[in-house]
Amino acid sequence: GAVVSQHPSWVICKSGTSVKIECRSLDFQATTMFWYRQFPKQSLMLMATSNEGSKATYEQGVEKDKFLINHASLTLSTLTVTSAHPEDSSFYICSARDERGRGYTFGSGTRLTVV
Amino acid sequence: GDSVTQMEGPVTLSEEAFLTINCTYTATGYPSLFWYVQYPGEGLQLLLKATKADDKGSNKGFEATYRKETTSFHLEKGSVQVSDSAVYFCALRGVSGNTPLVFGKGTRLSVIA
Repeated sequence: GAVVSQHPSWVICKSGTSVKIECRSLDFQATTMFWYRQFPKQSLMLMATSNEGSKATYEQGVEKDKFLINHASLTLSTLTVTSAHPEDSSFYICSARDERGRGYTFGSGTRLTVV
Repeated sequence: GDSVTQMEGPVTLSEEAFLTINCTYTATGYPSLFWYVQYPGEGLQLLLKATKADDKGSNKGFEATYRKETTSFHLEKGSVQVSDSAVYFCALRGVSGNTPLVFGKGTRLSVIA
C-alpha cells in the first residue's frame, strides 16, 4: 500500500535555529500534501495544504514566513520551522494524497522540541 | 464549516470489555467518515471508513456505521484487548474537491489486563 516516509522522527534544537522536516511518498505521486501539528492531548490542526509546483495555502493564524513549505516534486514535501522557539515544540505530521485522490496516507510524525 | 465532535477521554476499560466511542459531525451533504488510530509515539493509521449513509466500516474487530439521520459514526468493539490502547480520532472529509481531513479531538483509550 501507499507509504509516506517522514524524517526525522524526533529532533531537539536550540531556540533561534531552523529545522527541516521531510515527507516522501515512496510508491505513489503525492500531488497534494497536508501538514498538521498536534499539541499534547489535542487533535490535529491543519497548518497548510501544498500542491506540487505551487505555493502552499496556509490556514488562518499560521505564519507562512515561519513555517516554510516546499513541494517541489511529486514525491517530496518539506516543512521548515524557521527561527524556532519553545512554543513551536509540537508533533508535526504530514498527509499525502495521490493524483487520483485515493485516500490519505500519513507520515509517522516528527516530534520537535525547542530548548 | 465542517466539524467533528468526539467524546472526550480518557477511557479506561478492562480487557474483554465492550467499547463505544461516540462521534458526531456537522457537514453539508454526504461527507466521508473515518476513524484513525494513533499508537504511542507513532503517526496515524486508518482504522476504518465509510463513504455513504448506512455504510458500515470494519477492521480488526472495530465497527462504525454511518448514520445520516443522527449525523453520527460511533466506534464500537465487542471485546477490547490491551493492544488496543491508543488514541482514536474520528475524522471527516467534505464533499468538495481535494479537501483535508477534519479531525475530532481524539479519545485516549487505556485497556488494562
